[in-house]
Amino acid sequence: GNSVTQMEGPVTLSEEAFLTINCTYTATGYPSLFWYVQYPGEGLQLLLKATKADDKGSNKGFEATYRKETTSFHLEKGSVQVSDSAVYFCALNLGSQGNLIFGKGTKLSVKP
Amino acid sequence: NAGVTQTPKFRILKIGQSMTLQCTQDMNHNYMYWYRQDPGMGLKLIYYSVGAGITDKGEVPNGYNVSRSTTEDFPLRLELAAPSQTSVYFCASSYSQGAGSNQPQHFGDGTRLSIL
Repeated sequence: GNSVTQMEGPVTLSEEAFLTINCTYTATGYPSLFWYVQYPGEGLQLLLKATKADDKGSNKGFEATYRKETTSFHLEKGSVQVSDSAVYFCALNLGSQGNLIFGKGTKLSVKP
Repeated sequence: NAGVTQTPKFRILKIGQSMTLQCTQDMNHNYMYWYRQDPGMGLKLIYYSVGAGITDKGEVPNGYNVSRSTTEDFPLRLELAAPSQTSVYFCASSYSQGAGSNQPQHFGDGTRLSIL
């Protein structure tokens, strides 16, 4: 079946460190891929997306590239800030109903 | 911009009680969704709707019911609350979707529900 696997958290980094959160997927078709971010006490917000192979999504310094050959969509940021502390979810959208399939989420804590 | 509004934000229920979680959106989105979020488990789809008068089951529908009488509103009902339904519930909406759609979903801030 269709699924998303994210690296286990929590991830703790110092400010200005490099961030990678791994995400791989299994899908029977050609999904669109998303990263959502959830700040404490809030709902999920779209961070970035990519709709086809080799597309790169980017927003707020975060980037992720849709790699069909490795079925991956890893999230990266060159220099994290304390304000980036949140839970990050990788997700795919495959069906016409548009329902997302989520990974379990990765909690990121950035220390000053 | 209100977006997706959920009420209440918090609720404690006793086992066997019933309640309705409210969700409304002002973006004229056709598609609406209910998810539950359990610790360390990501989000699971409960029910979804592709338009007024049309609803369908998601991955974990047991113990819940929905209705969609208008484009704006998509309430979720728990008829006989059970401890296993303790969770955070999120409502979301999006524009019409096609296969492999890139339309993002817009989420409410969630309802934290405890069943004791």
